[in-house]
Amino acid sequence: DTAVSQTPKYLVTQMGNDKSIKCEQNLGHDTMYWYKQDSKKFLKIMFSYNNKELIINETVPNRFSPKSPDKAHLNLHINSLELGDSAVYFCASRRENEKLFFGSGTQLSVL
Amino acid sequence: DAKTTQPPSMDCAEGRAANLPCNHSTISGNEYVYWYRQIHSQGPQYIIHGLKNNETNEMASLIITEDRKSSTLILPHATLRDTAVYYCIVFPNNAGNMLTFGGGTRLMVKP
Repeated sequence: DTAVSQTPKYLVTQMGNDKSIKCEQNLGHDTMYWYKQDSKKFLKIMFSYNNKELIINETVPNRFSPKSPDKAHLNLHINSLELGDSAVYFCASRRENEKLFFGSGTQLSVL
Repeated sequence: DAKTTQPPSMDCAEGRAANLPCNHSTISGNEYVYWYRQIHSQGPQYIIHGLKNNETNEMASLIITEDRKSSTLILPHATLRDTAVYYCIVFPNNAGNMLTFGGGTRLMVKP
């Protein structure tokens, strides 16, 4: 079974739409993350979240919001999509004192 | 901002050792050095990590200098499948931190 799973793998949408990317981890981890990887392959941290605290990278537009229905899920909601939001988005999770596990990524294309 | 610097690219002949350097001169006492790699656009994959001592596992060896300001990842016998982007990242083991990746080193293993 996949440890960190994201859906969908590909997402093509029009500018101005609202979309969500789902992430689930079955590892019992405490903290989950969202990363954005642009065309230059830089992995930029967007959010860090555990059941106590949400940490937001201040460079992330407020059109992006993480939602956690429970400890195993951290979904990414994006409102009013823009062309510059096109990228690959990675979910990750870890337990304190352990390594980070990544999902396989969601390639978002905004037309 | 990332706390590590790596050369943007390196080449290595197949079957030879690949030595990938990383500078982390501002590393704190409680921060570990982690190495990940990313093949194509897959999710980053954990390779190895360490605090002070050198470490070895089935994938690689990690050499950390005594002052902990730099480290080297060694792939002892590089294969074509080791062609990837390798990321060096430092972070403390407590959860909830914003784990920032740098640009990584694009390793090209050539026949």
